[in-house]
Amino acid sequence: EPEVTQTPSHQVTQMGQEVILRCVPISNHLYFYWYRQILGQKVEFLVSFYNNEISEKSEIFDDQFSVERPDGSNFTLKIRSTKLEDSAMYFCASSLGTGNQPQHFGDGTRLSIL
Amino acid sequence: QKEVEQNSGPLSVPEGAIASLNCTYSDRGSQSFFWYRQYSGKSPELIMSIYSNGDKEDGRFTAQLNKASQYVSLLIRDSQPSDSATYLCAVTDTGANSKLTFGKGITLSVRP
Repeated sequence: EPEVTQTPSHQVTQMGQEVILRCVPISNHLYFYWYRQILGQKVEFLVSFYNNEISEKSEIFDDQFSVERPDGSNFTLKIRSTKLEDSAMYFCASSLGTGNQPQHFGDGTRLSIL
Repeated sequence: QKEVEQNSGPLSVPEGAIASLNCTYSDRGSQSFFWYRQYSGKSPELIMSIYSNGDKEDGRFTAQLNKASQYVSLLIRDSQPSDSATYLCAVTDTGANSKLTFGKGITLSVRP
């Protein structure tokens, strides 16, 4: 069963530092997403990515965030200058298409900002 | 603001019983509906999807959709202790990007 893989599983970073979270989506999927979940809260959409560009982004996805697909397999989320409130689980998801095509989630990266 | 509401729970049922999980959504343009299961500290795992009014069955799981009432539910028959988890309702609209809007989830506990 193909799966979405994320690295690292846990990242601890000092406030103000840059972090890069990495994802390898399922190989034949075309749509890529980042979500986050603050402890005890709901899963929130951050950004969607298709055809090498951002399709949609939420209000959370401000100028400190960026995404990139540097090669044919990786999909990264960069947080430029981390804040305490960025501490959360970050999930990458991918899907074959939109609408009825379900999104499959990776195991997540737990980001802890000190 | 599109909202997905789930009864906060938690819900506790004895082993072998039917667990009924409910979800309402605010956006009438919502087109696709998903139930994800999330164990504590883990990622959402897709268990059911439904797109048309009516029932859809997959093993012990049945999803029910009523677009007129903006209501989607999940029934789990013959509940097992391993079903104990948080169940997330998620919806997408007709937008090109199909972002998922999640409810907060309902925690199910199945008592042996």
